[in-house]
Amino acid sequence: GEDVEQSLFLSVREGDSSVINCTYTDSSSTYLYWYKQEPGAGLQLLTYIFSNMDMKQDQRLTVLLNKKDKHLSLRIADTQTGDSAIYFCAGNSGNTPLVFGKGTRLSVIA
Amino acid sequence: DTEVTQTPKHLVMGMTNKKSLKCEQHMGHRAMYWYKQKAKKPPELMFVYSYEKLSINESVPSRFSPECPNSSLLNLHLHALQPEDSALYLCASSQGFEQYFGPGTRLTVT
Repeated sequence: GEDVEQSLFLSVREGDSSVINCTYTDSSSTYLYWYKQEPGAGLQLLTYIFSNMDMKQDQRLTVLLNKKDKHLSLRIADTQTGDSAIYFCAGNSGNTPLVFGKGTRLSVIA
Repeated sequence: DTEVTQTPKHLVMGMTNKKSLKCEQHMGHRAMYWYKQKAKKPPELMFVYSYEKLSINESVPSRFSPECPNSSLLNLHLHALQPEDSALYLCASSQGFEQYFGPGTRLTVT
C-alpha cells in the first residue's frame, strides 16, 4: 500500500519562506494534497495537484511535484505566525481513501 | 460553500454510556467519511459511505456503529467505549477527488 513520509518539524522566522517536504511510494496516486490543521481544529484543504502537473501556484502557496523521485513539496512565501500549524500531505486516486503522511509541525518565530 | 459541520464539539462519556456524533454537509457530496485522530498523529480512516451505502469499514470495533440516514447526514453511534477511544473524530465529504473535513468532535471516554 501507499506510504507517505514527512519530516516532523520545521521552524522558520516570520517573513521567510517555508518548504515542507513529502515523499510517497505509490506512483499510482492521481491526486496529491496539502492539508493544514491548527490546534484543536479539523483539517483545512489548502491545495492539491494532479499527478500530471509539475507545479501549481496559489497566492503564497507553491506546490512542486517531482514524479521521478516521488517527491512533493509545499512552499509558503512570506510565512506568517498564522501559518503555524501541522501540515499533512496526502494522496489518493479519485474516490479512494486518502493516505496521509505523519504531518509536519511548522513553527513560525516572530 | 465547502462547509462540513459536526456536533457536538466536545463530548465526555462514561464507558457504559451511549452517545452519537453527527455530521452534516449541504454540498451535494455523495461520499462521506469518519476518521479517528489521536494526538500528534494523522487521521485514520474508519468508515466510508458512498451514495448512502457503507462501502469501507476499516476493521473498526462494533462499539462504533455508523449510520447514513440521508445524503446530507452521517452519524456515528457510540456504545461501551474504552478510554483508548478518546480522540478527535473527524467527518469528511467528497464529490470527486477533493475531501473536505469538518472541525471534529473531541471525545473523552472516562
